[in-house]
Amino acid sequence: DGGITQSPKYLFRKEGQNVTLSCEQNLNHDAMYWYRQDPGQGLRLIYYSQIVNDFQKGDIAEGYSVSREKKESFPLTVTSAQKNPTAFYLCASSAYNEKLFFGSGTQLSVL
Amino acid sequence: SQQGEEDPQALSIQEGENATMNCSYKTSINNLQWYRQNSGRGLVHLILIRSNEREKHSGRLRVTLDTSKKSSSLLITASRAADTASYFCATGETSGSRLTFGEGTQLTVNP
Repeated sequence: DGGITQSPKYLFRKEGQNVTLSCEQNLNHDAMYWYRQDPGQGLRLIYYSQIVNDFQKGDIAEGYSVSREKKESFPLTVTSAQKNPTAFYLCASSAYNEKLFFGSGTQLSVL
Repeated sequence: SQQGEEDPQALSIQEGENATMNCSYKTSINNLQWYRQNSGRGLVHLILIRSNEREKHSGRLRVTLDTSKKSSSLLITASRAADTASYFCATGETSGSRLTFGEGTQLTVNP
């Protein structure tokens, strides 16, 4: 099946801990994105990548880091510098400036 | 920053009625897209309309775009209880590949 896979579905972070959210796609898309969604709100862009080994900051990049070593993979690390990490995180991929395909999301909570 | 703003924030209708949601944006766009999100899930692409198009149809969906007013509307005809979800507009900027999302309209269709 073609699609985009996020894991885990639920993740808990202890204070001072870095955690990594996985995002894999087999759609052969060049562009990949990470969004954060807080309850009852829209999506805010964290990072995006248009090509392997290159990525750009979105609107709320502070406290997050990404890598794009393979076309299929775009993992997001939530660092200890992100003081309010509890949110629903969505990964997406697309052909250039066309429709986004979303994963099913990861709910991150703080212990 | 949020580019699109949906109106209303919440809409409750009876099954069989039509639902209209509006989206306003601020800057020049290449395209405008509508997405649907069921609670706790990823977003699903509904329809894309380009800046040189004025109206587009897909099944029970009708989207209009008025670039002079920087606004778009999504009409769902003959609504069903299964249409209950949040609906988001997203704009693709002329100069890049990132999409910017609004805060969404929560639609409830009562059986």
